[in-house]
Amino acid sequence: SAVISQKPSRDICQRGTSLTIQCQVDSQVTMMFWYRQQPGQSLTLIATANQGSEATYESGFVIDKFPISRPNLTFSTLTVSNMSPEDSSIYLCSVARQNQETQYFGPGTRLLVL
Amino acid sequence: GENVEQHPSTLSVQEGDSAVIKCTYSDSASNYFPWYKQELGKRPQLIIDIRSNVGEKKDQRIAVTLNKTAKHFSLHITETQPEDSAVYFCAAPLRDASKLTFGTGTRLQVTL
Repeated sequence: SAVISQKPSRDICQRGTSLTIQCQVDSQVTMMFWYRQQPGQSLTLIATANQGSEATYESGFVIDKFPISRPNLTFSTLTVSNMSPEDSSIYLCSVARQNQETQYFGPGTRLLVL
Repeated sequence: GENVEQHPSTLSVQEGDSAVIKCTYSDSASNYFPWYKQELGKRPQLIIDIRSNVGEKKDQRIAVTLNKTAKHFSLHITETQPEDSAVYFCAAPLRDASKLTFGTGTRLQVTL
């Protein structure tokens, strides 16, 4: 498995503002993903972070709301833009190595929007 | 549509009993089936996975069985202990082998 960290671990934000979440892994990985987990719910894939190109978004998620960067093979950011209380959730990154389906999760970022 | 169904949503067992959680998936091309355990306030942790070339895999008290014809797979926990209490998620790649779709989760409570 890989050692994955996320920053911040939690935050309380005002509506209308934006928050950028960082995901760092200790070794090079091919795939990096961003998930949302609403309170008491399952994990929903937001997008796949592609190194050197635009992220691939799942149905219901758009780049203007969730811009993603991935400048190299060990780091990615997710921004939650123009936040509303409905964005209150846990945001998790996950990683997978080349030719391996297994995903490992970061510790998550707990976001509360007031 | 493509989805992963998981049952039951909650499960309460007495310590020492067995627990079984079942998932069905819609894409017959799916070939990888992981199970994750998520304790309260923690990240999902992979506990066991199975690939479509085998029908069963076991790791100490945990086992997973796969029926590709019926498109369902199950998690079996034997001799349950209080530390097994958590939410368990199954997952499968649907439409795209590189992405996972997660089941709705099962909250397991092991009582003394």
